[in-house]
Amino acid sequence: GEDVEQSLFLSVREGDSSVINCTYTDSSSTYLYWYKQEPGAGLQLLTYIFSNMDMKQDQRLTVLLNKKDKHLSLRIADTQTGDSAIYFCAESLLWGGSARQLTFGSGTQLTVLP
Amino acid sequence: KAGVTQTPRYLIKTRGQQVTLSCSPISGHRSVSWYQQTPGQGLQFLFEYFSETQRNKGNFPGRFSGRQFSNSRSEMNVSTLELGDSALYLCASSPGQGGETQYFGPGTRLLVL
Repeated sequence: GEDVEQSLFLSVREGDSSVINCTYTDSSSTYLYWYKQEPGAGLQLLTYIFSNMDMKQDQRLTVLLNKKDKHLSLRIADTQTGDSAIYFCAESLLWGGSARQLTFGSGTQLTVLP
Repeated sequence: KAGVTQTPRYLIKTRGQQVTLSCSPISGHRSVSWYQQTPGQGLQFLFEYFSETQRNKGNFPGRFSGRQFSNSRSEMNVSTLELGDSALYLCASSPGQGGETQYFGPGTRLLVL
């Protein structure tokens, strides 16, 4: 079955890079996502990567995928206080050409210290 | 385009009551999924609707049900509310065909007393 795991907490200094890690178990074709949740809010899609890719870069965000180890990471360059939030890794199985349910990790609370 | 909207944003109910939550997807999106978020269980998938049909269902009791209308708007209903149903209920929309990403609404926070 599907299982997604993340570390619970990460603290970094403003201006440093943050790296949030995630492991997943399903080896089928899949999309992997990073969502951000601020207090009292819904989930904001940050970026995603398909399982046949190794890396994706989008402005300050870099996603790295190690398929052999089923390891996904999100790097945030030049982390700002506004980046403080909970970050969720999620996996979606591809069924019949359409992404279906998302399986989420427990979320990583990122705290950016001034 | 307007994002995913959910109503109401906050709701307080008592045990045994029922509740209906509403979700309007992004214009043109035909798939709507529902998720429950609690501190103890995290984010869990409830069900997904596409073209008024339930395509996929999570592991929740039959008290949780949903439907989708011809304009792709969706409702979910919880009957005989229990204290443990207190949660943030999130709706997500996607175009519905071809492995697209899901975009989430702000959620409805339900408190059961």
